[in-house]
Amino acid sequence: ETGVTQSPTHLIKTRGQQVTLRCSSQSGHNTVSWYQQALGQGPQFIFQYYREEENGRGNFPPRFSGLQFPNYSSELNVNALELDDSALYLCASSLWQGTNTGELFFGEGSRLTVL
Amino acid sequence: AQSVTQLDSQVPVFEEAPVELRCNYSSSVSVYLFWYVQYPNQGLQLLLKYLSGSTLVKGINGFEAEFNKSQTSFHLRKPSVHISDTAEYFCAVSDPEGAQKLVFGQGTRLTINP
Repeated sequence: ETGVTQSPTHLIKTRGQQVTLRCSSQSGHNTVSWYQQALGQGPQFIFQYYREEENGRGNFPPRFSGLQFPNYSSELNVNALELDDSALYLCASSLWQGTNTGELFFGEGSRLTVL
Repeated sequence: AQSVTQLDSQVPVFEEAPVELRCNYSSSVSVYLFWYVQYPNQGLQLLLKYLSGSTLVKGINGFEAEFNKSQTSFHLRKPSVHISDTAEYFCAVSDPEGAQKLVFGQGTRLTINP
């Protein structure tokens, strides 16, 4: 196990609703990233947070937003849900010390179904 | 921009047979390369990584991969597979000079038949 925990593990929402997904980073890590994995696809980078600020963003609209807290836990918020938002959302934590070591530690994901 | 192509979406093999999962990448800069494994209903687990140095990288569970810069490839191999290796395998790249952001391929589903 990586020590990265996500909640909830599964949830169902309807179009137009809002959702918040939560992630607790591995102890000692200061960076958290979120990825969206649609069925049958590879994960796609949504954004990354370091020191409570967004530190890189993928090709996702502004209705995808996030937060990182002082204890390095994180939230992913998605507003105005669309059917295509149905996916597995993966949180990954890492330790940034000025250089990219490349290794991310992933949680088991939150599976979102939008009806 | 970086991209990753996994050349096989599905690879069926018999138990104890060798396997190779192919990965090619495209990047205008140097890269770090990774293979992750995803077991059913689980997150991603790092199998191995190439950052620098020897082009042959050994990982967990008997897997290894070879970085070939001229062919921009990072194929994953195992000499003898087990039923427990049944999973989805993802190749990924990142920019050594950038943030710790991974660009993933589409994945290869490895199915081991008894």
